[in-house]
Parts: sequence; C-alpha cells; structure tokens
Amino acid sequence: EPEVTQTPSHQVTQMGQEVILRCVPISNHLYFYWYRQILGQKVEFLVSFYNNEISEKSEIFDDQFSVERPDGSNFTLKIRSTKLEDSAMYFCASSGTLTDTQYFGPGTRLTVL
Amino acid sequence: AQSVTQLGSHVSVSEGALVLLRCNYSSSVPPYLFWYVQYPNQGLQLLLKYTTGATLVKGINGFEAEFKKSETSFHLTKPSAHMSDAAEYFCAVSEEAAGNKLTFGGGTRVLVKP
Repeated sequence: EPEVTQTPSHQVTQMGQEVILRCVPISNHLYFYWYRQILGQKVEFLVSFYNNEISEKSEIFDDQFSVERPDGSNFTLKIRSTKLEDSAMYFCASSGTLTDTQYFGPGTRLTVL
Repeated sequence: AQSVTQLGSHVSVSEGALVLLRCNYSSSVPPYLFWYVQYPNQGLQLLLKYTTGATLVKGINGFEAEFKKSETSFHLTKPSAHMSDAAEYFCAVSEEAAGNKLTFGGGTRVLVKP
C-alpha cells in the first residue's frame, strides 16, 4: 500500500540554525500539507501546497518557513532560523484531490536546543 | 471558523467494553468530519470519514461514528474494545471552502485494561 514517508524521524538542532524536513508524498497525489504538533497540544495546520504554489497557510507559517517541491517527488519544509518554540512533531500529508482523504506520514520530531 | 472539541483527554476501558469517544465541532458550512488514530511512534491513520450521505459511517477495526447535525457531534464508538485499540484518537473537521485544511481536536488517549 502506498504511504507517505518522512525523513529524518528525529532532528536535533541548535537555535538559529536552518533545518529542512523532507517528505515523499504518495506518488499520484497532487495536494500536499504540513502540520505540526507541539508536545501536549493539538495538531495544527501549517500550509497546503498545490500546483507548485502555496494554496493556504496559517498564521504560524511566517517568513521563517518555506515549502518546496524541488524534484517532483520530494516535498520539503524549511525553517530558516529555528527557535525553541519550533520544537514539535511535524507531519506531512498528501491527497489525490482537494476533497480526498489526507494520508499522513509518520512525522519528524524536531528538537531545538 | 471551524473548531473541534474532544471531551476527555484520557479514556480507560476494559477489554470487551464499549468504547465511546466524544467529538463536537463547529463549522459555518456543512463539514467533512474525520477520525484519525495514532499508534505509538506512528503517523496519523484514517479510521473513518463523513462527507455526505449516510450519517452512520463505518470505519476500519470495527469503529463507527454518527454525524448528528442537530447536536454538531461526530462521536466514535466500538462495541467491544480490544487491547490493540490502545492509541490516541483525533477528531478533525475540514471545509472545502477552506482549502480542505484539517482542524483537529485535542485528542483522546485510550487505555485498554485487560
């Protein structure tokens, strides 16, 4: 069964450093999403991406964040200058159509020291 | 704006007993409703979803949920809990007009006692 994969599973970084979280969505999917879950809090929407551009973003997704689909298979989330409060589990999801089920990856746990 | 409330962050049930997880939502338009499950160290897996049509929705692993518009609820049930049901369960809502982004509830962690 096709699945969404994410790498790395755990990333530790120093405050102020740049990180790139990688996702490989399901191959024939067209819509891509990033969500995050700070420990003990709700899963929150960050951004959706379609046709090589951002469809929607939350207020969390400020100028420190960017997304890219560099090669037709990967979907990345970059945080330019990490803050302590960026520590969270980041989930990638993809769907075939706008109203189709979103399939989630296993997440990347980001720890900012 | 859409929102989801899950009553009870932790639920403990005995093996074989009914599992009932409560979810209430608010949405300005007819919503799409979802239940996802997260097993330890894994991603979110879809249990079931409601979009249109029949209000009683059956999902995987014996779970079902009923959409009640008048109560703005989408409670999840399973008649007989199994040890393998121990996990965290998330209710979520989306609106097509909102780009289909999912808004999640806070989650309910289920513990199954032998």
